[in-house]
Amino acid sequence: DAGVIQSPRHEVTEMGQEVTLRCKPISGHNSLFWYRQTMMRGLELLIYFNNNVPIDDSGMPEDRFSAKMPNASFSTLKIQPSEPRDSAVYFCASSLQGSVNEQYFGPGTRLTVT
Amino acid sequence: SQQGEEDPQALSIQEGENATMNCSYKTSINNLQWYRQNSGRGLVHLILIRSNEREKHSGRLRVTLDTSKKSSSLLITASRAADTASYFCALPTGGYQKVTFGTGTKLQVIP
Repeated sequence: DAGVIQSPRHEVTEMGQEVTLRCKPISGHNSLFWYRQTMMRGLELLIYFNNNVPIDDSGMPEDRFSAKMPNASFSTLKIQPSEPRDSAVYFCASSLQGSVNEQYFGPGTRLTVT
Repeated sequence: SQQGEEDPQALSIQEGENATMNCSYKTSINNLQWYRQNSGRGLVHLILIRSNEREKHSGRLRVTLDTSKKSSSLLITASRAADTASYFCALPTGGYQKVTFGTGTKLQVIP
């Protein structure tokens, strides 16, 4: 398996623009997680899905952030409008329910908002 | 939700030495995981230890769990330059495999 795939790997955008990050989980995994990592705040869980249904979005910082999972093999995290403080590395991870928590991480998307 | 507190925050050792990092937590857990993150990469799962286990090995890794002290340690023996990375403990904090990651220990192994 190719592992968790994220795109783009790097994104540079101007403040106010819409940003869409994409994730393809490992085939067969039924839980998907979006994280944000910064030096100041460490690794934060933004939202997670189980069987394509959002279970907990309490980590989503503001209404500017939204996430969808239209099917088992694709998820998006959208920021609209983007702000400089959104600059971070965003990770997607997936896991198989029943495997007791082990998560498989993608390579991340490094977002820079200027 | 609880977060593991790791110490030290940073550790620098010579290749061949052992590295030990610790994770403390506040409320009871049924398992604890350790992950590694190389610079610029995603996290990689290393090992999971359950609350009924005191010690677990995987290659050069040894993990202990002391539920009475609410702490875990990760020992890397005979370290290599390739072990240079950040190491995180992860605690279960909800259903559906939700975990909260600790603050991390940044390990540098000097060749």
